[in-house]
Amino acid sequence: EPEVTQTPSHQVTQMGQEVILRCVPISNHLYFYWYRQILGQKVEFLVSFYNNEISEKSEIFDDQFSVERPDGSNFTLKIRSTKLEDSAMYFCASSEVSLAPQETQYFGPGTRLLVL
Amino acid sequence: ILNVEQSPQSLHVQEGDSTNFTCSFPSSNFYALHWYRWETAKSPEALFVMTLNGDEKKKGRISATLNTKEGYSYLYIKGSQPEDSATYLCAFRSGGYQKVTFGTGTKLQVIP
Repeated sequence: EPEVTQTPSHQVTQMGQEVILRCVPISNHLYFYWYRQILGQKVEFLVSFYNNEISEKSEIFDDQFSVERPDGSNFTLKIRSTKLEDSAMYFCASSEVSLAPQETQYFGPGTRLLVL
Repeated sequence: ILNVEQSPQSLHVQEGDSTNFTCSFPSSNFYALHWYRWETAKSPEALFVMTLNGDEKKKGRISATLNTKEGYSYLYIKGSQPEDSATYLCAFRSGGYQKVTFGTGTKLQVIP
């Protein structure tokens, strides 16, 4: 069964460093998402991406964050200058379409980011 | 800010017991309600997506109901097994948005 994959599974970085989290969505999917879960808190939406542009973003997704689809398969989240509070589990998700109510978002296993 | 809540936060049941938990969400501008099953170190697994008031979905021993007018959904597990141990997340989608808003999750532990 097709699945969303994410790399790396864990990343440790120093405050102020740039990190890039990578995702390979399911191949025929057109919509891509990033969510995160800070330890002990709810999973929260960051951004959705369609047709090579951001279609929706939350207030969390500020200028420190960017997303890109550099080739036909990868979908990346870049954090330019990490802060301690960016430590979280980051989930990538994809869906075939987005407009239908019954459309499901399929999630990857997450990347645990620790900022020291 | 959308308020999506789940209860209980955690529960322990004996193998063979049936159990249920609740997701509450805003009753206005409803579009869809998702249930996911999440085991540690794995991807959250989509269980159900429910879109109509009165919807009932079933997958093996797991079923779910939906009441959009009062803003709640129940997830039922019949005859719990140790492999059902996981966190169960509901996620609410309102009309006009692509994002889903997650609840706090219910962590289920089934004791053999």
